[in-house]
Amino acid sequence: KAGVTQTPRYLIKTRGQQVTLSCSPISGHRSVSWYQQTPGQGLQFLFEYFSETQRNKGNFPGRFSGRQFSNSRSEMNVSTLELGDSALYLCASSLVYRPSGHNEQFFGPGTRLTVL
Amino acid sequence: SQKIEQNSEALNIQEGKTATLTCNYTNYSPAYLQWYRQDPGRGPVFLLLIRENEKEKRKERLKVTFDTTLKQSLFHITASQPADSATYLCALDGGNEKLTFGTGTRLTIIP
Repeated sequence: KAGVTQTPRYLIKTRGQQVTLSCSPISGHRSVSWYQQTPGQGLQFLFEYFSETQRNKGNFPGRFSGRQFSNSRSEMNVSTLELGDSALYLCASSLVYRPSGHNEQFFGPGTRLTVL
Repeated sequence: SQKIEQNSEALNIQEGKTATLTCNYTNYSPAYLQWYRQDPGRGPVFLLLIRENEKEKRKERLKVTFDTTLKQSLFHITASQPADSATYLCALDGGNEKLTFGTGTRLTIIP
């Protein structure tokens, strides 16, 4: 079974631009979560989607948004990029919605975003 | 305020010894706690999950304990090998259905 895939793997943007990152979960997984990882803050939860609905959101500004499609694939968008948005963005999928119980998360390799 | 602390940012252990990593939390009452391994440039990989009613869980050379009174989890790697060198993250449900991660401990096994 293929793992979680994320595209692109690397991205360089300039301040003020916007970016869209893509995540394809493991086949059969319906929950997708997004995280931002930086050396200073560690892994920070962005949001979680299940059945095309955002179920939970972290403490990030409205510039960060996402969506999930009917095939469970997900995208996240960051508008008006700032230097501080430079980070590794990780997507994770799980079989069921998190509060349902055993919810091992399977992470993708991440997208390394650099904002200049 | 809520906090998850992993004992040290970096830990060096001699090959063959047991590595013990600590995860302490405050102002959480998690139903479970997870441990992940992360290699440079890669996403975290799930290792073990332990529930609040379990005291200990084992998987091959890995052992996790969960003490809800002390609000602490210990992660042990026995007979450590250089291939065990990585960053290890603990994660717990923050009570609001968000998986919250510690900042990690970078473990180096010295041959």
